[in-house]
Amino acid sequence: AQTVTQSQPEMSVQEAETVTLSCTYDTSESDYYLFWYKQPPSRQMILVIRQEAYKQQNATENRFSVNFQKAAKSFSLKISDSQLGDAAMYFCAYRSDGRGAFNNNDMRFGAGTRLTVKP
Amino acid sequence: DTGVSQDPRHKITKRGQNVTFRCDPISEHNRLYWYRQTLGQGPEFLTYFQNEAQLEKSRLLSDRFSAERPKGSFSTLEIQRTEQGDSAMYLCASGRERGGHEQFFGPGTRLTVL
Repeated sequence: AQTVTQSQPEMSVQEAETVTLSCTYDTSESDYYLFWYKQPPSRQMILVIRQEAYKQQNATENRFSVNFQKAAKSFSLKISDSQLGDAAMYFCAYRSDGRGAFNNNDMRFGAGTRLTVKP
Repeated sequence: DTGVSQDPRHKITKRGQNVTFRCDPISEHNRLYWYRQTLGQGPEFLTYFQNEAQLEKSRLLSDRFSAERPKGSFSTLEIQRTEQGDSAMYLCASGRERGGHEQFFGPGTRLTVL
């Protein structure tokens, strides 16, 4: 079964600095999707960025970018110019393309990384 | 488009009681998912609908749990004979069958079983 591991329970960054959150996953599939979700305290989960496994180019969304290493099964999130509003739990998630042997459509989440932004 | 909504936002119940949660997905999304999230953990998949058909169920979904999506729009999740271990945040998400494959989450229903 696919598993997602976030090895950093907590991270801290100074405002305006850059921070990288780590994520590794385990799968035998070749086609899948990876996501980073942000969950602010007592607020709902929102999508930060997504990556299709068949794309070699790393996804970017404004200050957020990923380093996708398919062979290493690594999917880290880089937040540049950190802002106070970036403080949240960040979840890495894996989703099968739904067409393979596992034929599942649910998302598998890591345990999360709590990011603190210091003013 | 007002996003995914869930009702109630909070529910406190006594052990042994039945509870029902409702989820209204984004209107044009035909897929609807239920997850459970306990403190300090990521969401865990419970079940998923495509239109009105329940296509997948996790082993986490014991026989005390039942979910419906009768008309392919809103969904309900019922927990019978609640136990203290059922205390968690119950998240609903919706998405399209085709497209970006991302899921859009609601605010969740926080269940506390006393």
